[in-house]
Amino acid sequence: EDQVTQSPEALRLQEGESSSLNCSYTVSGLRGLFWYRQDPGKGPEFLFTLYSAGEEKEKERLKATLTKKESFLHITAPKPEDSATYLCAVQLTSNTGKLIFGQGTTLQVKP
Amino acid sequence: GAGVSQTPSNKVTEKGKYVELRCDPISGHTALYWYRQSLGQGPEFLIYFQGTGAADDSGLPNDRFFAVRPEGSVSTLKIQRTERGDSAVYLCASSNSRTVNTEAFFGQGTRLTVV
Repeated sequence: EDQVTQSPEALRLQEGESSSLNCSYTVSGLRGLFWYRQDPGKGPEFLFTLYSAGEEKEKERLKATLTKKESFLHITAPKPEDSATYLCAVQLTSNTGKLIFGQGTTLQVKP
Repeated sequence: GAGVSQTPSNKVTEKGKYVELRCDPISGHTALYWYRQSLGQGPEFLIYFQGTGAADDSGLPNDRFFAVRPEGSVSTLKIQRTERGDSAVYLCASSNSRTVNTEAFFGQGTRLTVV
């Protein structure tokens, strides 16, 4: 069965304290791995797509990496405005484009 | 419009009633997706449209759920004989890619509460 698991479920950081979020996946064939940010009461906002092991992408304080079994979202020197739920999702080679999401990691950054 | 628009933002209905949820995708986007998100969980796929046709409806939980996109733009998700377990946030997303869900843009969702 295709599965996506994110850890930790919740993470509290002090402003400036760097950390990483994990997304582990077990799938039949990976077309792409996606990271989204979701603020309370809002829809998910696209951050990154990664397609092959070894690929890395960066945006401001965020950097996403991909291996054959997992992806990491590294947050460098976070600010309170980085507080949100971060969702990881996979798209399979065998399907029509639907995303299979993990349950998310809720990040709180305290000033 | 500038983004994906979903109406209503909130809907409270009684158990057993029929509801319709509307999604206005970004103009020109051919792909449209419906997802359902329960509290503390990630979104769960329901159905995917490419143009007017449902290309993948494997996520619809049962035959009480149905969705249409008659003109290839606006889509309506219809739920018959609602149950308390249908309570969730229903999210719509659209994309201009024909085959890959790269940079799908999500609406703010419709929060459905069945009482």
